[in-house]
Amino acid sequence: GAVVSQHPSRVICKSGTSVKIECRSLDFQATTMFWYRQFPKKSLMLMATSNEGSKATYEQGVEKDKFLINHASLTLSTLTVTSAHPEDSSFYICSTGSGEQFFGPGTRLTVL
Amino acid sequence: QKEVEQDPGPLSVPEGAIVSLNCTYSNSAFQYFMWYRQYSRKGPELLMYTYSSGNKEDGRFTAQVDKSSKYISLFIRDSQPSDSATYLCAMSIYGNKLVFGAGTILRVKS
Repeated sequence: GAVVSQHPSRVICKSGTSVKIECRSLDFQATTMFWYRQFPKKSLMLMATSNEGSKATYEQGVEKDKFLINHASLTLSTLTVTSAHPEDSSFYICSTGSGEQFFGPGTRLTVL
Repeated sequence: QKEVEQDPGPLSVPEGAIVSLNCTYSNSAFQYFMWYRQYSRKGPELLMYTYSSGNKEDGRFTAQVDKSSKYISLFIRDSQPSDSATYLCAMSIYGNKLVFGAGTILRVKS
């Protein structure tokens, strides 16, 4: 299956700063990637669908100006949390695949 | 009614037991069915992937899909303490986003 990596695995930042999370598909041409966030003891919540070379599609209730997604190549999608606040602290995970989906290891964001 | 229903547990079993995990769904258009295992603070790991109805076996794991009943199952034989994790069912229509169950917490006691 597809191998997906994320960087960084963990980030701590001050309130008001922006944080960029990278998602790389190491062995799969990822025309589409998905971004999720997960709260403790909860299931995954889809935030947006990232499409290579075009604008991302955001789920209802997700602020596109706060969670900027760029998918400039078939191997890389980035999620930037702009002006992060403590309520943005969460576990962010990306996935890709066709039919079956393969997930990255996740990025734990803590905003102080 | 949620699109995918999954009992969150926790489900506690002794080592060596057969574990049965289940999900029901309402959308008959789903064609792809997956089971993921997630350890704490890690990304979900794909365990089983089934297209349409039928059974699939991989080692100690067996996945079953009954589209007529809109019901999917994951069986784990000879369960081990290392199987303790959250198990998520997920399903999709090809190329579309996954719809997840709530996840079932499994604890295997040694």
